Amino acid sequence: GAGVSQSPSNKVTEKGKDVELRCDPISGHTALYWYRQRLGQGLEFLIYFQGNSAPDKSGLPSDRFSAERTGESVSTLTIQRTQQEDSAVYLCASSLGPGANYGYTFGSGTRLTVV
Amino acid sequence: GDSVTQMEGPVTLSEEAFLTINCTYTATGYPSLFWYVQYPGEGLQLLLKATKADDKGSNKGFEATYRKETTSFHLEKGSVQVSDSAVYFCALSVLQGAQKLVFGQGTRLTINP
Repeated sequence: GAGVSQSPSNKVTEKGKDVELRCDPISGHTALYWYRQRLGQGLEFLIYFQGNSAPDKSGLPSDRFSAERTGESVSTLTIQRTQQEDSAVYLCASSLGPGANYGYTFGSGTRLTVV
Repeated sequence: GDSVTQMEGPVTLSEEAFLTINCTYTATGYPSLFWYVQYPGEGLQLLLKATKADDKGSNKGFEATYRKETTSFHLEKGSVQVSDSAVYFCALSVLQGAQKLVFGQGTRLTINP
């Protein structure tokens, strides 16, 4: 597609439930990033995928968070046993390579509300 | 670790006023610096960037100069418009590892007609 696509755009879930968020990067973009944006705050890095290399998971806040990506295609971010503090907008970005030189294209995000 | 500090908002200006949003950074290497903008209801968009000291990024009338000596990347525009109302994020990316973006907390700008 022309841009980075994320689904769903909005998700309301009950505390304790698992959720799965999806990101479709731009075709040919080998690098993919997940970020979290809490209300009134900047974006926090969560995880980075580059091709078939081992992902950089250094930003994941707890073991309830995990993400997968098969090759250079779709990525899913899974949050298990959701808590209210997980409420945020989850943004995905992709890039032709590591982003500092190539630039990052962001999706519109998934707004997650845990009630 | 790497970090970005930007001017706290919200900022409210009248149309045609001069805008400055301050941004300073701390980085272990030589980062690339970015300004991103988030218009109401839209995704994050790159506004401008600079990759080395003394570079000036510019777009849509906005400018920012990479100042290594003051570790700053302040955003400026000479005459703002109502359509510039948005949240602005300063960010850096270091040329190693994941090259992830490190963001400031964002500054909400409102321009009144």
